[in-house]
Amino acid sequence: QVQLVQSGAEVKKPGASVKVSCKASGYTFTNHYMHWVRQAPGQGLEWMGIVNPSGGTTYAQKFQGRITMTTDTSTSTFYMELSSLRSEDTAVYYCARDASGVDFDYWGQGSLVTVSP
Amino acid sequence: SYELTQPPSVSVSPGQTARITCSGHALPKQYAFWFQQRPGQAPVLVIYKDTERPSGIPERFSGSSSGTTVTLTISGVQAEDEADYYCQSGDSTGAYRVFGGGTHLTVL
Repeated sequence: QVQLVQSGAEVKKPGASVKVSCKASGYTFTNHYMHWVRQAPGQGLEWMGIVNPSGGTTYAQKFQGRITMTTDTSTSTFYMELSSLRSEDTAVYYCARDASGVDFDYWGQGSLVTVSP
Repeated sequence: SYELTQPPSVSVSPGQTARITCSGHALPKQYAFWFQQRPGQAPVLVIYKDTERPSGIPERFSGSSSGTTVTLTISGVQAEDEADYYCQSGDSTGAYRVFGGGTHLTVL
């Protein structure tokens, strides 16, 4: 069965960077792109971007310049790194698989990132 | 930037029909998807490509589309359906995804 297992919670100081991982299993890694979505406390879902298994990316304009999405095909893992963190970046970050016309068919469990002095 | 508009809240009694709308100017050209999110959990896809229901999703969930508005309908609402519901689609290019602001469904 498809599983997306994300890294654990992180606490970062303003100005720092965070790198969240998403390990995929149960399907052919190279056949599916991966989205990243975040949700601030008590707020809605926000699309951050998409990465294909070979590393090509499309980022939401809001995050251009401080987001990097990468992949490691040897371990079937996707990564999302966000830099220059501020308090407004406190959120749960999700990876979600793209299924060629069906966006977000499977989701990771989420990774809480807290930005606090 | 492109936006999808949902009502913040909808309330229905058990057994009634709940309808949640989502409006956006690109919806005639881009498919819409609907997600259910219960507190503390990841979202779950309940409708894809406007009207299709994934396996395992109860038949009481259905989707429809008309012009710039898509609608999620839950027939015979049950207490377990109380949750936040989000629509999602792409902008006119299809390259950028966007979520609606979410609708909280309250089962009275």
